Amino acid sequence: AQKITQTQPGMFVQEKEAVTLDCTYDTSDPSYGLFWYKQPSSGEMIFLIYQGSYDQQNATEGRYSLNFQKARKSANLVISASQLGDSAMYFCAMREGQIRANKLIFGTGTLLAVQP
Amino acid sequence: DGGITQSPKYLFRKEGQNVTLSCEQNLNHDAMYWYRQDPGQGLRLIYYSQIVNDFQKGDIAEGYSVSREKKESFPLTVTSAQKNPTAFYLCASSLRNAEAFFGQGTRLTVV
Repeated sequence: AQKITQTQPGMFVQEKEAVTLDCTYDTSDPSYGLFWYKQPSSGEMIFLIYQGSYDQQNATEGRYSLNFQKARKSANLVISASQLGDSAMYFCAMREGQIRANKLIFGTGTLLAVQP
Repeated sequence: DGGITQSPKYLFRKEGQNVTLSCEQNLNHDAMYWYRQDPGQGLRLIYYSQIVNDFQKGDIAEGYSVSREKKESFPLTVTSAQKNPTAFYLCASSLRNAEAFFGQGTRLTVV
């Protein structure tokens, strides 16, 4: 079964507007971590934000925030005040907490295009 | 500077050849990972290692091999058994339960 699901292959947003990128996950482990990465056209993977399963508050990092809804198993990324440089591929990822299964798995990504 | 170094950036392989992709990190991370990315697609896990001299298969390990003899190094060999090796390969490392840091990637092309 797919562990990380990103249902939006592509998104458009106007510059200076906010955008939400969806991510749902599936795990039976009570301890897990959720990550968002940005991949520009150059190919490198840039870490954006992290949410632990036991964190009480939603994570925020500058213009990035993570809308964590544990009961729904969703971890949506919100980018506020979009900039042209935000145009990139965005990946949601999860690490489960079991010692031997402490691997990082990724969703299929969402391509975000910011329009002027 | 601390980070992850992948080499080479571009690699060309002839049919039937084995090639080895290098990945070195000086971040003192225990865990290291290899991912494959095909055009327009997500990252698929090939192999990962939590500690030296130990590694586990990921989702698409067939046709690949790895070693973890040193904490800093996690080379990936693409063998001739891998039928469609042309892809972008990314190496990453992390502390347990922390974010992963990625290298710049190696673009492998079969000629």
